[in-house]
Amino acid sequence: GAVVSQHPSWVICKSGTSVKIECRSLDFQATTMFWYRQFPKQSLMLMATSNEGSKATYEQGVEKDKFLINHASLTLSTLTVTSAHPEDSSFYICSAGLARSSYEQYFGPGTRLTVT
Amino acid sequence: EDKVVQSPLSLVVHEGDTVTLNCSYEVTNFRSLLWYKQEKKAPTFLFMLTSSGIEKKSGRLSSILDKKELFSILNITATQTGDSAVYLCAAEGTYKYIFGTGTRLKVLA
Repeated sequence: GAVVSQHPSWVICKSGTSVKIECRSLDFQATTMFWYRQFPKQSLMLMATSNEGSKATYEQGVEKDKFLINHASLTLSTLTVTSAHPEDSSFYICSAGLARSSYEQYFGPGTRLTVT
Repeated sequence: EDKVVQSPLSLVVHEGDTVTLNCSYEVTNFRSLLWYKQEKKAPTFLFMLTSSGIEKKSGRLSSILDKKELFSILNITATQTGDSAVYLCAAEGTYKYIFGTGTRLKVLA
């Protein structure tokens, strides 16, 4: 149980285009989903927290107009990287939290974004 | 199917105890094994292991990987209350990470 999927696994796009990444909780309802970006040396940076039906809460330094997060249902959250630049190339990982605890998170496999 | 299993799920110890956390994995095209400590929302990176038998050490924490038996352990010696957290391991495959569900460690004063 508690499986989280991400789609796509890997995407290559051109500078200036937008890319949408999906995060789905397959067998449970996630009221909260978290989006992370992985930086060199494997550190994970929390980008934002999204709660179903409400606006996402962005961490300091994360551009909300560039990284659009939508949590339309209890099983789906999307991250759209708008006007992508090469420096946005990274590994984006989502996790889904169970209703009873925000610290009990289940991680997706990640999406590798390459912007050329 | 790729999977990572951590054990135990939860652990309560007293300060000064030594704990060993386990992580077994089955991942296609395995590249590395990572350990994280999660206290709040964002996990903190601890170790990345790629070679069998080579211990990585940072203070009271150490970790080792066995690629033949497909597991890794994380040791914490002389535990402190500040070690209380969820410890996650993740196995890296090709363009993906498979996370375990974590071991919740609570250290009592």
